[in-house]
Amino acid sequence: KAGVTQTPRYLIKTRGQQVTLSCSPISGHRSVSWYQQTPGQGLQFLFEYFSETQRNKGNFPGRFSGRQFSNSRSEMNVSTLELGDSALYLCASSSQGGETQYFGPGTRLLVL
Amino acid sequence: AQTVTQSQPEMSVQEAETVTLSCTYDTSENNYYLFWYKQPPSRQMILVIRQEAYKQQNATENRFSVNFQKAAKSFSLKISDSQLGDTAMYFCAFISNRDDKIIFGKGTRLHILP
Repeated sequence: KAGVTQTPRYLIKTRGQQVTLSCSPISGHRSVSWYQQTPGQGLQFLFEYFSETQRNKGNFPGRFSGRQFSNSRSEMNVSTLELGDSALYLCASSSQGGETQYFGPGTRLLVL
Repeated sequence: AQTVTQSQPEMSVQEAETVTLSCTYDTSENNYYLFWYKQPPSRQMILVIRQEAYKQQNATENRFSVNFQKAAKSFSLKISDSQLGDTAMYFCAFISNRDDKIIFGKGTRLHILP
């Protein structure tokens, strides 16, 4: 099976812009979770989607949003970008959630 | 709230040696999973090993094994016959059956020296 894929792999934006990141889970997996990784805060959970519904959400401002499509692909959107949003954004999938998650290669976002 | 603590920010060992990475966690849940993930310089997060809390037997995967002490809430990773390719950041992680978010420790940066 193909692994989790994320696009784009690298992105440079300026403050105030918005960005959309995409994640395609492993075939058959219905749960997709998003994480932000920064040197200062480490790995932090953003949100999790299952069957097109957000089941769980971390402590991030409303500028961070996501959605999941019927084919389980997920997108994450960050509006009004801030310098502190520069991070590696990781997507992970699992078949049901609450179990082993498999990670994609990540999208590295740089906000200037 | 669940927490995961890795007390060793950085470690170095010689190739072929055995190294143990420590992890403690705190939870009131009874059913959960614990994981060790490896993140090499490529930044790809790779699952190393997992342990179901209801299983008393420690998980093993080739050169990787864990020492799971449920009562003590301890979950250490032992890497035997360490190889240069084991150089990476290692994250201990927790997920409960009632929740769908992984709680990660801060990580241990492991250097395998030739």
